[in-house]
Amino acid sequence: AQTVTQSQPEMSVQEAETVTLSCTYDTSESDYYLFWYKQPPSRQMILVIRQEAYKQQNATENRFSVNFQKAAKSFSLKISDSQLGDAAMYFCAYRNRDDKIIFGKGTRLHILP
Amino acid sequence: GAVVSQHPSWVICKSGTSVKIECRSLDFQATTMFWYRQFPKQSLMLMATSNEGSKATYEQGVEKDKFLINHASLTLSTLTVTSAHPEDSSFYICSARVTGGFGETQYFGPGTRLLVL
Repeated sequence: AQTVTQSQPEMSVQEAETVTLSCTYDTSESDYYLFWYKQPPSRQMILVIRQEAYKQQNATENRFSVNFQKAAKSFSLKISDSQLGDAAMYFCAYRNRDDKIIFGKGTRLHILP
Repeated sequence: GAVVSQHPSWVICKSGTSVKIECRSLDFQATTMFWYRQFPKQSLMLMATSNEGSKATYEQGVEKDKFLINHASLTLSTLTVTSAHPEDSSFYICSARVTGGFGETQYFGPGTRLLVL
């Protein structure tokens, strides 16, 4: 069974600074997807970024980028130029061949003004 | 982008009653929908996979007779919590996958907060 581990329950970053959220996963599959989701206080799940396992190039979406290390099964999220609106719970997630999404326990990100 | 709605957004019910939660894909057809449960300050846990026109597949530990799922059309799946008890109080979230198979994006609904008194 696949597992997703986020070892940082909470993190804080100064506004305009850069922060990296860590995520590791375990799987025996070779083809899968990885995601970072943001859950603000409204609790609506928002897709931040997605990475296809067979692509070596790290995904980027504006201020958000990932460092995908397939061999190490590591998938960290870097947020550049942090903004107050980035404050939320961030979930790392793995999607397997059965299309099921397994979520990590989440990292609560605080943005300090 | 694709939109998924849930109704109601929150519901309070008495212990022993049944509650139905709807999940709709508003602007796309969804062959497959997923139901998740999220306890306060915890992660999302997949409860079941709902396929249009067939029986839902439940994750281990989820009582199928307790959580009835019906996916009667390509745009609607319902979750009925039968004989609800206080321990069923939680946040229920659905997601819908655009028809097309593995790799297609799943879109999440806004969630339904259930409180059982």
